[in-house]
Amino acid sequence: KAGVTQTPRYLIKTRGQQVTLSCSPISGHRSVSWYQQTPGQGLQFLFEYFSETQRNKGNFPGRFSGRQFSNSRSEMNVSTLELGDSALYLCASSPGGAGANVLTFGAGSRLTVL
Amino acid sequence: GENVEQHPSTLSVQEGDSAVIKCTYSDSASNYFPWYKQELGKGPQLIIDIRSNVGEKKDQRIAVTLNKTAKHFSLHITETQPEDSAVYFCAAKGSWGKLQFGAGTQVVVTP
Repeated sequence: KAGVTQTPRYLIKTRGQQVTLSCSPISGHRSVSWYQQTPGQGLQFLFEYFSETQRNKGNFPGRFSGRQFSNSRSEMNVSTLELGDSALYLCASSPGGAGANVLTFGAGSRLTVL
Repeated sequence: GENVEQHPSTLSVQEGDSAVIKCTYSDSASNYFPWYKQELGKGPQLIIDIRSNVGEKKDQRIAVTLNKTAKHFSLHITETQPEDSAVYFCAAKGSWGKLQFGAGTQVVVTP
């Protein structure tokens, strides 16, 4: 079956702009988590959505937001971009329930802020 | 919240030798410990995981051990091959319900 699909794979923005990233989970998976990956900070948890509700949130400023749709697809948005937001943004899905622990990651969206 | 430390940050091994990566965690309530492998240009891929009611788990050349008392767990790769070269991440799921990742280990297998 198809894996986790993230779009776009690469994008370049300038400071002050905003960006929206999309994630399509594995069919049947109801939980979607987002992570920011940078060389200095590693994998940092952003938020998790389950059945359109935010279930968990990491320590990121309010400029980072997300949502999940009824088909489990998820988007994350970063407003007023800063240079430090340059990173690989990873989405991961899991079944939810008893299989909630097992995350399957997408290939990521590489964001460069100039 | 949970804090996960991973060592070493880089590991160079000769093909055929074993590689060991170690992680410690802080939350004694953590109950799930996965290991991910990330190759260049790809997202992390789960390679093995262990739950807190198990001390050791093996899958072909890969094994993971867990010491709950000491709050550390380790990944063992035997008979390393060039395709094992990648970044490996450990993680722990704490009482807050979210996975906390270690900083990663760059493994280089030289022929």
